Amino acid sequence: DGGITQSPKYLFRKEGQNVTLSCEQNLNHDAMYWYRQDPGQGLRLIYYSQIVNDFQKGDIAEGYSVSREKKESFPLTVTSAQKNPTAFYLCASSARTGTYNEQFFGPGTRLTVL
Amino acid sequence: GQQVMQIPQYQHVQEGEDFTTYCNSSTTLSNIQWYKQRPGGHPVFLIQLVKSGEVKKQKRLTFQFGEAKKNSSLHITATQTTDVGTYFCAGINTGGFKTIFGAGTRLFVKA
Repeated sequence: DGGITQSPKYLFRKEGQNVTLSCEQNLNHDAMYWYRQDPGQGLRLIYYSQIVNDFQKGDIAEGYSVSREKKESFPLTVTSAQKNPTAFYLCASSARTGTYNEQFFGPGTRLTVL
Repeated sequence: GQQVMQIPQYQHVQEGEDFTTYCNSSTTLSNIQWYKQRPGGHPVFLIQLVKSGEVKKQKRLTFQFGEAKKNSSLHITATQTTDVGTYFCAGINTGGFKTIFGAGTRLFVKA
């Protein structure tokens, strides 16, 4: 089956620890995205990548880092610098960025920082 | 920066009633997409509108794109309990690479 996988589904961490969220796609998509969703809120873009070895900051990149070493993988690290990391994190991909490309979302990772 | 506003934030309806959510952009859009997120789930693509004044239908769902390509709406006729969820619009500005999501409208349907 083609799709996007995110792991783990639920993640608990202590305050001050870095944590890395996994995102893998086998859709052969060029573009990948990370969003943050808070309860009752919309989607806010953290980082996006249009191609391997390239990525750009979204609207709320502070306290997060990403890498794109392989086309199918786009891991997100939530660092201790992120003041309010508890949220639902969604990874998405599209054939390419911009016009006419629908985004396919993974099931999400719910991060709770204690 | 570019903003996409979506109203209402919440809507409670009785099953069988109609529902509409509206989306407005501060800038002209190249196209607009609509997504649905079921409770506890992830957003799923519904449709894309590209042309000025475009209207598309999917069974009981009707999607419209404004003439100025700055607003859009989603109308559901005779809601069912399966329509429950949050509906997001997402706009891409002309020449841009980022998709800007609205905050979503959460639909509650009472049987």
